[in-house]
Amino acid sequence: NAGVTQTPKFQVLKTGQSMTLQCAQDMNHNSMYWYRQDPGMGLRLIYYSASEGTTDKGEVPNGYNVSRLNKREFSLRLESAAPSQTSVYFCASSEPGTARGEAFFGQGTRLTVV
Amino acid sequence: GESVGLHLPTLSVQEGDNSIINCAYSNSASDYFIWYKQESGKGPQFIIDIRSNMDKRQGQRVTVLLNKTVKHLSLQIAATQPGDSAVYFCAEDSGYSTLTFGKGTMLLVSP
Repeated sequence: NAGVTQTPKFQVLKTGQSMTLQCAQDMNHNSMYWYRQDPGMGLRLIYYSASEGTTDKGEVPNGYNVSRLNKREFSLRLESAAPSQTSVYFCASSEPGTARGEAFFGQGTRLTVV
Repeated sequence: GESVGLHLPTLSVQEGDNSIINCAYSNSASDYFIWYKQESGKGPQFIIDIRSNMDKRQGQRVTVLLNKTVKHLSLQIAATQPGDSAVYFCAEDSGYSTLTFGKGTMLLVSP
C-alpha cells in the first residue's frame, strides 16, 4: 500500500550540479504532478502530466525538466542547480476523471543547493 | 522539523473546541475548491472538496463553506483534537486537478 513514493528523501547539491528526483505511484492514476514548497508559502506547480505521454508547464517551470517514463513514473530533473531551487519537492498523482482535486502526495524530497 | 510553518497565520484552540480556518481565493472562474491538511514532515492530505455550485458540504467532523460573492472559503472542524494540529491549505482546481494553493494556516490544538 505504498501510494506515491519519492526518492531521495534528502539531497544536498552544489551550485551547477544536476540531479533527477524520482517518483512512482501504484494507484494506476493517469495524472501526475511536481510541486515545490518554500517556507511560508503554499505549494506551487512546476510541471504536470495529465496522462502518459504528455507533459505541461505549471506556474514555476524554469530550471526544470520532466519525463513521464510510463504510467507509474514521473521524474523531475534539475540540469544546473541554483540556490533558488532549495525547497521541498512533492510529487503527486490523481485521477481527475473520477476524483477531481483529490491528489495523493508523496513524503517529499528536501533539497538544499549550496 | 518542517520549516513550512514559519510566518504562517496561526490558530490556537483547546481540545474539544470548534475550529474555523478561513481562506480567500482570487480566481472567480474557479469551479472546484479543496482543503488539504499537512502534518509536519509529510505531504499534504486531502480533506474535503466543494464545487462552486454548492454553498456547504459536510464530511466527518468537517464542514466546508463557500461564499462566491466575496470569494471566501472556510473549513470548520468540530470537536478539535490534538491530532488535528497541522497546516491547512485551501486550493483551487485549475484544470486536470492542477492545484493552486493558498499560503496555509497553522492549527495548534492544546490538550
